[in-house]
Amino acid sequence: GAGVSQSPSNKVTEKGKDVELRCDPISGHTALYWYRQRLGQGLEFLIYFQGNSAPDKSGLPSDRFSAERTGESVSTLTIQRTQQEDSAVYLCASRWRQSNTEAFFGQGTRLTVV
Amino acid sequence: AQSVTQPDIHITVSEGASLELRCNYSYGATPYLFWYVQSPGQGLQLLLKYFSGDTLVQGIKGFEAEFKRSQSSFNLRKPSVHWSDAAEYFCAVAGTYKYIFGTGTRLKVLA
Repeated sequence: GAGVSQSPSNKVTEKGKDVELRCDPISGHTALYWYRQRLGQGLEFLIYFQGNSAPDKSGLPSDRFSAERTGESVSTLTIQRTQQEDSAVYLCASRWRQSNTEAFFGQGTRLTVV
Repeated sequence: AQSVTQPDIHITVSEGASLELRCNYSYGATPYLFWYVQSPGQGLQLLLKYFSGDTLVQGIKGFEAEFKRSQSSFNLRKPSVHWSDAAEYFCAVAGTYKYIFGTGTRLKVLA
């Protein structure tokens, strides 16, 4: 597609439920990032995928968070047993492999845990 | 370790005034530097980027930034701010793969 696409755009879930967020990167982009942005805060790195290499999961805040990516395509971020502190906007970005390229961001998924 | 510092959390300027948003980075090699803008409820849009060459880079919406290696800075400037520039601004540094953002500066523009 023309840009990074994220779905759903908004998600309201009950505490304790699992949620799955989806990111469709720009075609051909090998690198994919997930970030979390709490209200009024900056971007918190969660996880990074690069092609078929092992992902960098160093930013995942707990074992309730996991992410998958098949090859260089769609990625899903799963949050199990959601808590109220998980409420945030989850942003996905993709970029070409080369380091001298910029990341393109999706519009984000606003997650509200009630 | 890579890091980005944006010392100003909030900045308020009058419409038509000049603007400078500060960004300091820490990175061991030649940094790739970026400024993004985030309008309320929107994703991040790239304003400009520095990879190499001329240390003064021009971006969209009349913004420019100057890379100063000696000061480890990449400050964003605009000579005359418009009300539509009110947003959050993020500086970022990228290496081989890590893409690290500052905490952002929220810009308010007074009419």
